[in-house]
Amino acid sequence: AQTVTQSQPEMSVQEAETVTLSCTYDTSESDYYLFWYKQPPSRQMILVIRQEAYKQQNATENRFSVNFQKAAKSFSLKISDSQLGDAAMYFCAYRSGSSGDKLTFGTGTRLAVRP
Amino acid sequence: SAVISQKPSRDICQRGTSLTIQCQVDSQVTMMFWYRQQPGQSLTLIATANQGSEATYESGFVIDKFPISRPNLTFSTLTVSNMSPEDSSIYLCSVETGLEAFFGQGTRLTVV
Repeated sequence: AQTVTQSQPEMSVQEAETVTLSCTYDTSESDYYLFWYKQPPSRQMILVIRQEAYKQQNATENRFSVNFQKAAKSFSLKISDSQLGDAAMYFCAYRSGSSGDKLTFGTGTRLAVRP
Repeated sequence: SAVISQKPSRDICQRGTSLTIQCQVDSQVTMMFWYRQQPGQSLTLIATANQGSEATYESGFVIDKFPISRPNLTFSTLTVSNMSPEDSSIYLCSVETGLEAFFGQGTRLTVV
């Protein structure tokens, strides 16, 4: 079974600074997808960024980028120019390449942004 | 993309009673997923609901406790039956379109 580990229960960053959230996973599959989801206090889960395992290039979405190290099974999220609105729980998630397979979530990292 | 409307957003229920949570999607989807998020914890999949067939439950979850209906391709309900305080959680429904999962706003359930 796949597992996703987030070793940082809480992180804090100064506004406008950069922060990196860590995620490692365990799988024997070669075809899979990795995601970072944001859950603000409103509880609405929002997709931040997605990485396909077959792509070597790291995904980037505006201020959000990942460092995908397939051999090390590591998938960290970097948030640049942090904003107050970035404060939320961040969940790393794994999905097998099989269509319709479930998402396996990590335990989450609570990010605080200091003004 | 998909927009999901989930109701109720929160409820406080007496132990021993049941609560039905509704999830409406703005487009037709094959699978709908129900998750539980216990206080301060991550999301755990309860079951996967396909239209026209019985839901598939994950280990630790049973149909008698969490019956699910899926009458059409845009709607599903999850019932939390015979509730106890341990059922106090956030319950979320989710659908996938393409490679992206979309979530409802969640139902915060408190059992007293």
